[in-house]
Amino acid sequence: QQQVKQSPQSLIVQKGGISIINCAYENTAFDYFPWYQQFPGKGPALLIAIRPDVSEKKEGRFTISFNKSAKQFSLHIMDSQPGDSATYFCAARYNFNKFYFGSGTKLNVKP
Amino acid sequence: GAGVSQSPRYKVAKRGQDVALRCDPISGHVSLFWYQQALGQGPEFLTYFQNEAQLDKSGLPSDRFFAERPEGSVSTLKIQRTQQEDSAVYLCASSLQGVQETQYFGPGTRLLVL
Repeated sequence: QQQVKQSPQSLIVQKGGISIINCAYENTAFDYFPWYQQFPGKGPALLIAIRPDVSEKKEGRFTISFNKSAKQFSLHIMDSQPGDSATYFCAARYNFNKFYFGSGTKLNVKP
Repeated sequence: GAGVSQSPRYKVAKRGQDVALRCDPISGHVSLFWYQQALGQGPEFLTYFQNEAQLDKSGLPSDRFFAERPEGSVSTLKIQRTQQEDSAVYLCASSLQGVQETQYFGPGTRLLVL
């Protein structure tokens, strides 16, 4: 079964708006939760990541919110820009080397 | 500096053909990962190397898939007797240390099996 569930599948946001992508997991042994950004024809690139002992991490316009008890985490993109249009993947790490990815969210930021 | 490179970028194979996909990780990176990414899906873990040792191959879908990294740098993913369901993008990633989190991905090899 899918280890990390991601929603929505696609998202349209106006320029300057907030984009929110959600992920949920079941395995409490996951110890690291990264978000990746992928442009067409490119490999995923690490955007921001969080450990489960922290509830929020902010880097520039990108924020991860982490709810350990609910086993959910989300990515917030503030002041979304057309250049943010890409596919975003959440992931969770198990046993230091095995990463499980969500199914992806295709973000389209309208100018 | 140079990132992770993969070759070929595109490969078309006839069903039953063997293919070999190459990954050149970032110089000095200890860990190397292979993923399979189906169209519209997230990457799925295939296997993991630390230097030349293959420490986890639990994600390889069948015994037709084989990966090696004999000198602890370049890695090759080999698929024997390709099937149509093998069509996907194969991504390689490397990281500096065994438990260092940041994985740097290559652009992938898009494999199409006809």
